[in-house]
Amino acid sequence: DAGITQSPRYKITETGRQVTLMCHQTWSHSYMFWYRQDLGHGLRLIYYSAAADITDKGEVPDGYVVSRSKTENFPLTLESATRSQTSVYFCASSEGEGPGLEKLFFGSGTQLSVL
Amino acid sequence: GESVGLHLPTLSVQEGDNSIINCAYSNSASDYFIWYKQESGKGPQFIIDIRSNMDKRQGQRVTVLLNKTVKHLSLQIAATQPGDSAVYFCAEVSTDSWGKLQFGAGTQVVVTP
Repeated sequence: DAGITQSPRYKITETGRQVTLMCHQTWSHSYMFWYRQDLGHGLRLIYYSAAADITDKGEVPDGYVVSRSKTENFPLTLESATRSQTSVYFCASSEGEGPGLEKLFFGSGTQLSVL
Repeated sequence: GESVGLHLPTLSVQEGDNSIINCAYSNSASDYFIWYKQESGKGPQFIIDIRSNMDKRQGQRVTVLLNKTVKHLSLQIAATQPGDSAVYFCAEVSTDSWGKLQFGAGTQVVVTP
């Protein structure tokens, strides 16, 4: 039971480079989410997806792009990385909307450093 | 204590004592609440949840209390163990924002021997 996996676990990149963080879930959950976690800000929602080919912005979407061509995958791309995007990124999934379905299951995170 | 700047509120608890972690929320439309535990270097883990039509829910060694009148949520951990050392987050879902959780800032729990 793999659950939700993120890769890479750690990534160092340079300002201006494109970076893609991968997320894969094996539960067939409808909803998937990307959060970033920074000291002093807690968990902030970047983008989310209610189903394949349906994505929507969260609280801090600028500088990020997502896609969801398949239910199980939800990659996050930083088109031109900036130092302010240095953070820990968490992918999460949930069954959907409705009583108890919003419970999120998180991956282990990707620690991204932009130099 | 309240969070100030970059510092998380910290709760120091002696091993074997009970812990109480508090969370205030502001949205009256919030209908569903979840507590998460995050250990260092790991993603948040589900602990327990509660719907707004309940005041109390118990799990294994944990109890969540909900006071809708003052918009307050608490997590009680019985007989705290060293493995309970972590950051604890409350999260809420409102009826006007189904599917999306709003997270609190978190409380650092430190268990001392």
